[in-house]
Order: sequence, then structure tokens, then C-alpha cells
Amino acid sequence: DAKTTQPTSMDCAEGRAANLPCNHSTISGNEYVYWYRQIHSQGPQYIIHGLKNNETNEMASLIITEDRKSSTLILPHATLRDTAVYYCIVRRISASKIIFGSGTRLSIRP
Amino acid sequence: DTGVSQDPRHKITKRGQNVTFRCDPISEHNRLYWYRQTLGQGPEFLTYFQNEAQLEKSRLLSDRFSAERPKGSFSTLEIQRTEQGDSAMYLCASSEGQGGTDTQYFGPGTRLTVL
Repeated sequence: DAKTTQPTSMDCAEGRAANLPCNHSTISGNEYVYWYRQIHSQGPQYIIHGLKNNETNEMASLIITEDRKSSTLILPHATLRDTAVYYCIVRRISASKIIFGSGTRLSIRP
Repeated sequence: DTGVSQDPRHKITKRGQNVTFRCDPISEHNRLYWYRQTLGQGPEFLTYFQNEAQLEKSRLLSDRFSAERPKGSFSTLEIQRTEQGDSAMYLCASSEGQGGTDTQYFGPGTRLTVL
């Protein structure tokens, strides 16, 4: 599976959009981009995934560049409860395991 | 859909003791995964089951670790002769295992402390 690069930490004001970038320049055509987040002392929570089209669900939007070498997770109206470590993962459909990196620690300030 | 559940949520044990954790996957999910997470790190894959068959094991899974999924539903992870280095959060996840993008959903984890 391709590796990903994320900033170590970011912060965002409550109520504003949080934009979390991820680079995956070696992504293959059959690899999906997944995002999970992990709130302190809890298990990872699935957020969203996509292949090449932009995706949106009730939690977030995922914007994937046309060359698929990078993506951005957007939390449209961040709240204090969105404070967590966010993991960007690239994974083949057939892959059994998820390989987690270090993620981005997102802090939402009041 | 009640989500993935794990029991216990916390376990404190003395070095050398055996411990067993249980994971109940989302109903009708065929695949079940175990991960381990140490402080400040992302989760690391340990092993996974397709129904009752254990199909892959990480090198992290030493001889002291054993996992089972006898009826293809719940799973147990046993650690024998625990060591202080086994202190970690043990996470379980499940997925449908049939087509689609096979998204994994995680439980709350079992935090193990070995004294």
C-alpha cells in the first residue's frame, strides 16, 4: 500500500472549516483513500473514503486531486468534539490490514 | 447495528499472568481484525479472520499470543506470560468481507496494563 504524509498537528477555530491535507504521491490506480479519526482513548472511527471522485457524507467531505496524489478532508463546521488524531490511509480493496501512519493531531480552539 | 464491542475495556495484570480479551463484531461481518496500539503510535495490525479461519498473522504476534474465532462470530485474543512490553491498547475491528471496499469498523479497545 502507498505511504501517506500528513502534518503532525493543526488547529482550527470552532465553527470554522477544518481542512486536513494528505499527500499520497505513490498511490496506485486500485488504491482507495480512507480517513479515520481517533478521539483520545477510543477506537478509530471511520469517516469517509474515496477512489477518485470527491465524496461527502454527514461527517465530512473528501476532495481528491485529479492526479490522485493528494487529498483533503474537510470538516465543514468544526466543534470541540472534533479534536482528535486524523489518519489518512491508502489501501487496496483486497488488502486485509490497515497500515496507520502517525496522523494529524487536530485541535479545535473555542 | 450495535457496533463492535470489546470486553473488558481495561485490564491490569501482573507480569507473568495470562489474560484473555473478547471481541464481538458487527452482526454478519465475516472478517475480524486485531490491532495493537502503544502510546503515541498508530494502531498496528496483529491478525485477521475470515469467518473462523485465521488468514494472516503479523510478526508482532509472538508465540505468547493466540487468537481464535471458533464459530466465526466472536473472537478471543489471549496473551500468555504477560510482559511489561505488552502494555497497550488492543483494538478489534470487523468488516463485511464481501465485495465493496470492505471498510473496517473498530471497537472501543481493551487497555492492558502489565505491572
